[in-house]
Amino acid sequence: DVKVTQSSRYLVKRTGEKVFLECVQDMDHENMFWYRQDPGLGLRLIYFSYDVKMKEKGDIPEGYSVSREKKERFSLILESASTNQTSMYLCASSFRGSNQPQHFGDGTRLSIL
Amino acid sequence: ILNVEQSPQSLHVQEGDSTNFTCSFPSSNFYALHWYRWETAKSPEALFVMTLNGDEKKKGRISATLNTKEGYSYLYIKGSQPEDSATYLCASDTGTASKLTFGTGTRLQVTL
Repeated sequence: DVKVTQSSRYLVKRTGEKVFLECVQDMDHENMFWYRQDPGLGLRLIYFSYDVKMKEKGDIPEGYSVSREKKERFSLILESASTNQTSMYLCASSFRGSNQPQHFGDGTRLSIL
Repeated sequence: ILNVEQSPQSLHVQEGDSTNFTCSFPSSNFYALHWYRWETAKSPEALFVMTLNGDEKKKGRISATLNTKEGYSYLYIKGSQPEDSATYLCASDTGTASKLTFGTGTRLQVTL
């Protein structure tokens, strides 16, 4: 079974802090994605990566950066956390190709105080 | 249609009822349509990935159809059970590095 592991289920941070969310997958997937889920909105793509050291902006990249130094690990960084970044963050991975399903982690519920 | 839209937003059915929901998506630049089930406190789970017009897929009591020319997909659940309670998400892939655009989901609640 594919396993996508996110480092924390719940996280509380303060405004202005630098926050790291980690995601690891064990299926040798080329693609990795970071989404956020807010009430009344669909999953929105923040950043994605289709190879090591490669990254592409998604629909809402402002205030975030990412790092993919190894194929299995994709990190989301909040450079200076703000209260409007309080959200549920989901990581996903997939093989390359349009007919490949994405496999999701359990999510991190992040609160910025 | 510029976005992916799902209806209804929520649905409450009795055990044993059959139900269906709709996903509408842009028919231009279409590559694939994904369906996911997201149960509370769990991660979204892939149900189907559909690529061809007229595709029909089935997994147990759940099935889906695809019309790429008019830009819609239906998800059907036959004989709903309480364990079917979840949010059902659809997402459109326009072929840009497997990037998906998600709808807001249909929240299904099945009661005894």
